[in-house]
Amino acid sequence: QITLKESGPTLVNPTQTLTLTCTFSGFSLSTYGGGGVGWIRQPPGKALEWLALIYWDDDRTYIPSLKSRLTITKDTSKNQVVLTMTNLDPADTATYFCAHRMSEVGAFDSWGQGTLVTVAS
Amino acid sequence: DIVMTQSPASLAVSLGERATIRCKSSQSVLYSSNNKNYLAWYQHKPGQPPKLLIYWASTRESGVPDRFSGSGSGTDFTLTISSLQTEDVAVYYCQHYFGTFAFGPGTKVDVK
Repeated sequence: QITLKESGPTLVNPTQTLTLTCTFSGFSLSTYGGGGVGWIRQPPGKALEWLALIYWDDDRTYIPSLKSRLTITKDTSKNQVVLTMTNLDPADTATYFCAHRMSEVGAFDSWGQGTLVTVAS
Repeated sequence: DIVMTQSPASLAVSLGERATIRCKSSQSVLYSSNNKNYLAWYQHKPGQPPKLLIYWASTRESGVPDRFSGSGSGTDFTLTISSLQTEDVAVYYCQHYFGTFAFGPGTKVDVK
């Protein structure tokens, strides 16, 4: 059974850097079968927005509009994926989800519950 | 970048009736080498994470009721709920995973 859980701050000041951690179980991100782990966010009342994804082979892909502000990394020994977002703005207030991408499925088959991050002073 | 659009933005359907949601991609998401459409559908209810319903445009995820079906190819896709149930009230998103990823704007489905 695959599980994922997001953790990180709930309140961040504008211009600061956000670090979110996704801790997962039920698969390994060090082998092909592990697929990948992505981050998706949803601002209040708005649609889902994919942000970044890291594959088992350490390949990474980012949403073009935010690429300069995002970094995604993995620690396979801890079964964690970390997303860093710099220069936060109130518009970055959202629920942030991490999700597993199974290679055979292609889409995000398992999701964490999400964590709400508010950007405000 | 491939941009996803959906229609309608919202719809209300009587219980037991059919609900149809359309999704369009700005470029084809059909990969010719394997003849697969890199298109998924999700159901999202408030306070819950999104749930994968359909992948490869028409393959139902394990455990998803067979009243949900996906169809289409290339740039035009459809999600059909054949007989709407109360538990189907949610927002539905299409998403492409053709190289990168992007979600559509969502379609809110309610009971009339």
